[in-house]
Amino acid sequence: SYVLTQPPSVSVAPGKTARITCGGNNIGSKSVHWYQQKPGQAPVLVVYDDSDRPSGIPERFSGSNSGNTATLTISRVEAGDEADYYCQVWDSGVVFGGGTKLTVL
Amino acid sequence: EVQLVESGGVVVQPGGSLRLSCAASGFTFDDYTMHWVRQAPGKGLEWVSLISWDGGSTYYADSVKGRFTISRDNSKNSLYLQMNSLRTEDTALYYCAKSRYGGSYLFDYWGQGTLVTVSS
Repeated sequence: SYVLTQPPSVSVAPGKTARITCGGNNIGSKSVHWYQQKPGQAPVLVVYDDSDRPSGIPERFSGSNSGNTATLTISRVEAGDEADYYCQVWDSGVVFGGGTKLTVL
Repeated sequence: EVQLVESGGVVVQPGGSLRLSCAASGFTFDDYTMHWVRQAPGKGLEWVSLISWDGGSTYYADSVKGRFTISRDNSKNSLYLQMNSLRTEDTALYYCAKSRYGGSYLFDYWGQGTLVTVSS
């Protein structure tokens, strides 16, 4: 079965740029979606189809996907961005990465 | 406004059965594939199952195949998950989720979840 690998944690200072990676075999050939989940809340879609943003999601959130790695980039990080982030693809079923906890220092 | 409201989560013994429901509103329910996604306490997201707009196609995660059955009643704008032969590892918050468009495999709206606890 297809496996998506995310770092368990990423830390970043306010105002800096956070990059969260999602590794998978030839993931660049798939559409990757990213969700943000804050404690006690349901996930929220922040990037879809590698790099598109749903309405209402700040331009600070962006995505890229090539080769074996997809990346969610959060520019000018704010305290409110602290959350768990999950990547997701379709491969004979929906597959989620293990999640990355973003800590804003 | 899109709303998804799950219900049916309870404490059940291993080997038991349970039926979860999800009441949908605020969108044309029978235009969309619907999903169940679960999250064990303190763990990540795990996709469980999907059903096409008309119920004609269903998919399951290997971990629940043969034990869980997804269904829908478009006349009632409702999604269901019949869970049989429950195991302790099925303990989780179960979310109902709507596909972003048609038969897509990404989610734009989620419910708040219903908690299933499998324990003796």
